Amino acid sequence: KQEVTQIPAALSVPEGENLVLNCSFTDSAIYNLQWFRQDPGKGLTSLLLIQSSQREQTSGRLNASLDKSSGRSTLYIAASQPGDSATYLCALGGGSQGNLIFGKGTKLSVKP
Amino acid sequence: GAVVSQHPSWVICKSGTSVKIECRSLDFQATTMFWYRQFPKQSLMLMATSNEGSKATYEQGVEKDKFLINHASLTLSTLTVTSAHPEDSSFYICSASDFNQPQHFGDGTRLSIL
Repeated sequence: KQEVTQIPAALSVPEGENLVLNCSFTDSAIYNLQWFRQDPGKGLTSLLLIQSSQREQTSGRLNASLDKSSGRSTLYIAASQPGDSATYLCALGGGSQGNLIFGKGTKLSVKP
Repeated sequence: GAVVSQHPSWVICKSGTSVKIECRSLDFQATTMFWYRQFPKQSLMLMATSNEGSKATYEQGVEKDKFLINHASLTLSTLTVTSAHPEDSSFYICSASDFNQPQHFGDGTRLSIL
């Protein structure tokens, strides 16, 4: 059974700092990996999608990497801003119908 | 980008009542819709997967008679929580996908049962 772990559970950084969020998984047989952002009481916003054949994806200040052999993914956020404050979720797609398995998330707080 | 609308966003009701939550894909045809539940400080847990025109597939431990899912069209799926009790209070989120394309999520429904 696939298990997804996100470390740390919470992170507080000053504005402008670069940071890394971690995601680990137990089964490397994945279809893809996604990073989402969730604001309090809201749904999910997809940030980056990495197919199993890819190693990384970039969008603006965000860069996500995938290492299937070690069962790890990282989300790098450059020059963090207060508006980046949210919970970041890692999710693995592996089922035939595309259902996702989520980690518990990392709650990020960027202090001005 | 693709838009998924979920309604209502918040509902409070008495124990024993039934609550219906709607999930609509506004600008694409959703061959598959997913229903997730999220308890405080927990991850999203898949409840069921529904394909248009067929019965939903429920995850282990999810009562199909309690959580009724209907996916009658390519743009609408509904989740009905029947005879809701306080332990059913949670954040319910739907997502929609067109044939294994990335899922697009609704904004969620916060359900509070008194």
